Amino acid sequence: EADIYQTPRYLVIGTGKKITLECSQTMGHDKMYWYQQDPGMELHLIHYSYGVNSTEKGDLSSESTVSRIRTEHFPLTLESARPSHTSQYLCASSRTGGDNSPLHFGNGTRLTVT
Amino acid sequence: AQKITQTQPGMFVQEKEAVTLDCTYDTSDPSYGLFWYKQPSSGEMIFLIYQGSYDQQNATEGRYSLNFQKARKSANLVISASQLGDSAMYFCAMRESGSARQLTFGSGTQLTVLP
Repeated sequence: EADIYQTPRYLVIGTGKKITLECSQTMGHDKMYWYQQDPGMELHLIHYSYGVNSTEKGDLSSESTVSRIRTEHFPLTLESARPSHTSQYLCASSRTGGDNSPLHFGNGTRLTVT
Repeated sequence: AQKITQTQPGMFVQEKEAVTLDCTYDTSDPSYGLFWYKQPSSGEMIFLIYQGSYDQQNATEGRYSLNFQKARKSANLVISASQLGDSAMYFCAMRESGSARQLTFGSGTQLTVLP
């Protein structure tokens, strides 16, 4: 039972196209995150949000942008996709308060830019 | 410097045996949390177990337990009675206080359970 949803699951797109990766959660979590992960490698934080109208860049520099207009929705946009953007993108959320609250992840979007 | 180090890129274990996946961490923060996640080949991240820096006892969740040695800054995951479905990537992660609740991940260990 998934409480955090990512679409599309797979995306193959040509260089220069604009894409938006969707992420929605139904848990009412304030905190949301985007991680980038190359196959078999560690996850790197690229964006996070404390709540509506709050977005911050993560540790890994990314050409993508995010928005947080609604609590449940945290889309990621690439204005002009390049082959270097080929990766898996994982969206996550966590509740406010308590250091023991884990991140809940979506199933990820596997992006291939040709 | 790496905050989370997982030194075993790959591990093999026989079905029904126990296996330990290593994780060491680096922080000067007295308050932090340690997490283990499982990532099957399908790609989703599944939360397994949590250990707080002030917890007196090692965390356990079913077949998963965490061997927490604070002085050595290690938080090894122990999986007892391995099953074929345990074959996956396993990631250790840490959250330091004041870090806006994001996690820093290690490079992962690929566990293969042999029949």
